Amino acid sequence: GQQLNQSPQSMFIQEGEDVSMNCTSSSIFNTWLWYKQDPGEGPVLLIALYKAGELTSNGRLTAQFGITRKDSFLNISASIPSDVGIYFCAGQLWAGNNRKLIWGLGTSLAVNP
Amino acid sequence: DAGITQSPRYKITETGRQVTLMCHQTWSHSYMFWYRQDLGHGLRLIYYSAAADITDKGEVPDGYVVSRSKTENFPLTLESATRSQTSVYFCASSEAIWTGDSYEQYFGPGTRLTVT
Repeated sequence: GQQLNQSPQSMFIQEGEDVSMNCTSSSIFNTWLWYKQDPGEGPVLLIALYKAGELTSNGRLTAQFGITRKDSFLNISASIPSDVGIYFCAGQLWAGNNRKLIWGLGTSLAVNP
Repeated sequence: DAGITQSPRYKITETGRQVTLMCHQTWSHSYMFWYRQDLGHGLRLIYYSAAADITDKGEVPDGYVVSRSKTENFPLTLESATRSQTSVYFCASSEAIWTGDSYEQYFGPGTRLTVT
């Protein structure tokens, strides 16, 4: 099935560092969603983006919907230990007429206190 | 408690057995989804439902059956479990906004299924 290219696959950083991850595709999307999954839990929605160029923040998290509609990035500033987890991007295809999302394979984040 | 719940949280079953995973949501969301999550594959859609009595296949439907007689419930049945169905299963729901502005899905806590 179609998937998004999410990178990096994993990151190991020091507490206080900034983090950046992104998702790209050859297809055009009309929605980008960013989720975080803690160990043993279901994914939790962090940020939803609906317009090309849109830049949205949620606390220390900032996400942008790429101008080309084919990519999105998520930044985390001043990381803390509780940021540990797997971050997923998901997108809704421009031509999609149903609620199915295309998912990235995730970015695993580890934070060293 | 409002939200989306799944039961059981953990299940061990034998090859060939039938097993049903339950999903219940209290938001009255129209859409519901079943995913499986495996290392290296991310989240893969098994089935989804747009409303009561309306279901459709996702990416990996073989070996699974769903039903949706009530809006709030969306059970997933493995008719004859196989080892390849060992996975973590997530249920999700999404509100129907007919302007098309919302595709946000909200997930349950998951069911970890082991088939021996």
